[in-house]
Amino acid sequence: EAQVTQNPRYLITVTGKKLTVTCSQNMNHEYMSWYRQDPGLGLRQIYYSMNVEVTDKGDVPEGYKVSRKEKRNFPLILESPSPNQTSLYFCASRPFSGSSYEQYFGPGTRLTVT
Amino acid sequence: AQSVTQLDSQVPVFEEAPVELRCNYSSSVSVYLFWYVQYPNQGLQLLLKYLSGSTLVKGINGFEAEFNKSQTSFHLRKPSVHISDTAEYFCAVSVRRAQKLVFGQGTRLTINP
Repeated sequence: EAQVTQNPRYLITVTGKKLTVTCSQNMNHEYMSWYRQDPGLGLRQIYYSMNVEVTDKGDVPEGYKVSRKEKRNFPLILESPSPNQTSLYFCASRPFSGSSYEQYFGPGTRLTVT
Repeated sequence: AQSVTQLDSQVPVFEEAPVELRCNYSSSVSVYLFWYVQYPNQGLQLLLKYLSGSTLVKGINGFEAEFNKSQTSFHLRKPSVHISDTAEYFCAVSVRRAQKLVFGQGTRLTINP
């Protein structure tokens, strides 16, 4: 089944404790992206990657890091989480070629930073 | 830069009634338009998209949307809603070669029996 998977689905952590949220897709998509969803703000892009070893900032990159060492994986790293990073996070992917521009989303990771 | 405004944060309707969720966008170039649905505790699922051609686009679950270039709108409609349509709906825009979707704030659709 074609899908985007994220782990963990739920995470409660404390300020300053480094964490990684994993994202993996099995559709051989070149493009992957991370979004955060906050009430009243919709989804905002954090980082994106157009292919292996190619990443760039989105609209809200502060406090986050990403890496793309393999085509299928795009982990999101919070090196020193703070309470304002409490949010619902979504990973998405799509093929870089083609014209549909449709993105496929993972199930989300709900992060709480205390 | 592009922006999307969903004019209603919440829309309550009765079951089997029609519904319209409103979306306006701003862009200086041609855009692609999308509606996504998020059911409780789930990820986003594509409802429909407008890329080019006919301005009336039909999607899954009986939804449709109409692209209006002069009014820069892409309103979502369904003639008769069901309890299972309870969800949050997001309008989004993208431009050619852009690397992201720009989302609206979301509209929470609540269906009352």
